[in-house]
Amino acid sequence: DVVMTQSPLSLPVTLGQPASISCRSSQSLVHSDGNTYFHWFQQRPGQSPRRLIYQVSNRDSGVPGRFSGSGSGTDFTLKISRVEAEDVGVYYCMQGTHWPPTFGQGTKVEIK
Amino acid sequence: QVQLVESGGGVVQPGGSLRLSCAASGFTFSTCDMHWVRQAPGKGLEWVAFIRYDGSNKDYADSVRGRLTISRDNSKNTLYLQMSSLRAEDTAVYFCSNLAVAPFDYWGQGTLVTVSS
Repeated sequence: DVVMTQSPLSLPVTLGQPASISCRSSQSLVHSDGNTYFHWFQQRPGQSPRRLIYQVSNRDSGVPGRFSGSGSGTDFTLKISRVEAEDVGVYYCMQGTHWPPTFGQGTKVEIK
Repeated sequence: QVQLVESGGGVVQPGGSLRLSCAASGFTFSTCDMHWVRQAPGKGLEWVAFIRYDGSNKDYADSVRGRLTISRDNSKNTLYLQMSSLRAEDTAVYFCSNLAVAPFDYWGQGTLVTVSS
């Protein structure tokens, strides 16, 4: 299975400041069809996961513009341009290029 | 609006059985591949099982293969997970999701399964 490794696992941030989470995969996530099936999820405390970004850099409907995704191959990044209180939670990366789908360990974002 | 509502969780003894349901509404369930994903208490997300939109193909995580069975009834817009020979390590919140690769990714609120004597 493809191993997804996130860093850091814990991220204390100051309100209004930027934040960045990295995710690395154990093999390239470029599919034979040319797409890269790499996604980011947010899970707020006590809630279900919610997808923020699909296929590396596409924001899902309703996701604030302060969230952005980038990367290619095996290295990917989620950036929050200015952290707000509602961004507290755990963020997971996920790959759907190789079977079975696999998730990163999660990065816990908290306010300093 | 889109809804996925899981039910059927509860407390079960090791070796016991349980059937989870996921009722879908607000989208064309019969054209959607579906998955079960679980989350042990305080832990991350783990993919559990997949079923193609028409039920023609299924797959499972190695950790549950042979013990959990995914199925669906498109006439009832419902996804199922039959769980048997349950172990303590199956204790988790179970979510149903379409795990979309494109727009429109849907998740339910989850149902808690606790395996304990």
